[in-house]
Amino acid sequence: SQQGEEDPQALSIQEGENATMNCSYKTSINNLQWYRQNSGRGLVHLILIRSNEREKHSGRLRVTLDTSKKSSSLLITASRAADTASYFCATVPYSGAGSYQLTFGKGTKLSVIP
Amino acid sequence: DGGITQSPKYLFRKEGQNVTLSCEQNLNHDAMYWYRQDPGQGLRLIYYSQIVNDFQKGDIAEGYSVSREKKESFPLTVTSAQKNPTAFYLCASSIGGYGNTEAFFGQGTRLTVV
Repeated sequence: SQQGEEDPQALSIQEGENATMNCSYKTSINNLQWYRQNSGRGLVHLILIRSNEREKHSGRLRVTLDTSKKSSSLLITASRAADTASYFCATVPYSGAGSYQLTFGKGTKLSVIP
Repeated sequence: DGGITQSPKYLFRKEGQNVTLSCEQNLNHDAMYWYRQDPGQGLRLIYYSQIVNDFQKGDIAEGYSVSREKKESFPLTVTSAQKNPTAFYLCASSIGGYGNTEAFFGQGTRLTVV
């Protein structure tokens, strides 16, 4: 079953604008991770945020986590054409037995127009 | 040059045939995973292995088999029992469980039934 649901499914913006993608999940988590996938390629890890963290930054990326609402957002600032890709959130369940389970959403397809 | 190597990149299978997808990593990671990705979908876990000579079923293990005889290698066999094998297959590895770490992905194998 898929835990995370990204919103929107697709997003098209102009270069230089900010892009915001949202992720909602259903059960308690240990952490939430964001990944990027270029068309036809493997996934690349972007950022991991733990359940006791509220915000994390990495370069032009800003991730927030609201465990009370079971939601997360990924903000890409000053987007570039090279940011065009699909972005996935993935959750790790709270229980220790599930620490090898990484459950992915369906992704947001971002297009950045030069 | 560390990483995960999947081969082949493209694979064609006839009805009723078994095929084996290769996954090799030189990251010295204990855990390895196989995911399936269908168009417009997120990743679904097929099998994972926490350590050599041990593996567990994921969400969609039916019609697939794996082995983990060496730390570096985690091949996936798609058997004739898998009724809809056409998909993009991704192999990943991690240092341990996902509690504090991320997954590193290969570039994928696209399997098509002809």
